[in-house]
Amino acid sequence: KAGVTQTPRYLIKTRGQQVTLSCSPISGHRSVSWYQQTPGQGLQFLFEYFSETQRNKGNFPGRFSGRQFSNSRSEMNVSTLELGDSALYLCASSFKGAGETQYFGPGTRLLVL
Amino acid sequence: AQTVTQSQPEMSVQEAETVTLSCTYDTSESDYYLFWYKQPPSRQMILVIRQEAYKQQNATENRFSVNFQKAAKSFSLKISDSQLGDAAMYFCAYRRGANAGKSTFGDGTTLTVKP
Repeated sequence: KAGVTQTPRYLIKTRGQQVTLSCSPISGHRSVSWYQQTPGQGLQFLFEYFSETQRNKGNFPGRFSGRQFSNSRSEMNVSTLELGDSALYLCASSFKGAGETQYFGPGTRLLVL
Repeated sequence: AQTVTQSQPEMSVQEAETVTLSCTYDTSESDYYLFWYKQPPSRQMILVIRQEAYKQQNATENRFSVNFQKAAKSFSLKISDSQLGDAAMYFCAYRRGANAGKSTFGDGTTLTVKP
């Protein structure tokens, strides 16, 4: 099976712009979670989608949003980018969540100038 | 809120030796799962080992094993016969059973393996 894929892998944006990141889970996986990884804050949970519904949400401002499509692919959107949004954004998929292993994608590295 | 603490920002080990990475967590839940993930430099995060809280037996995966002390809320990772390819950042993670896809991660331990 193909692993979790994320596009694009690298992105440079300027403050105030918006960005959309994409995640394709492993085939058959219905749970997709997003994490932000920074040197200062470590790995922080953004949100989780399951069967097109947001099931869990972390403590991020409303500028961070996401969605999931019927084929389980997920997108996350960050509006009005700030310098502090520069990070590695990871998505992880599992069949249905719970105690299952999450399989991570390679991440999208976002740099906000 | 659940927290995960990795008290060792950096560790080093000689090739072929054994090293133990520490992790403690705080939770009032009884249904939860614990994980160790490995993130090599500029590479994908992969699962090393997984432990269900309801299982008393410590999980093992080849050279990797855990010491799960539920009462002490401790979950350490032992790497035996260390190899150069084990060099990476290791993250301890906690997931509540009811919280499905939400994991809480520690700050990570950078492991260096010396030849």
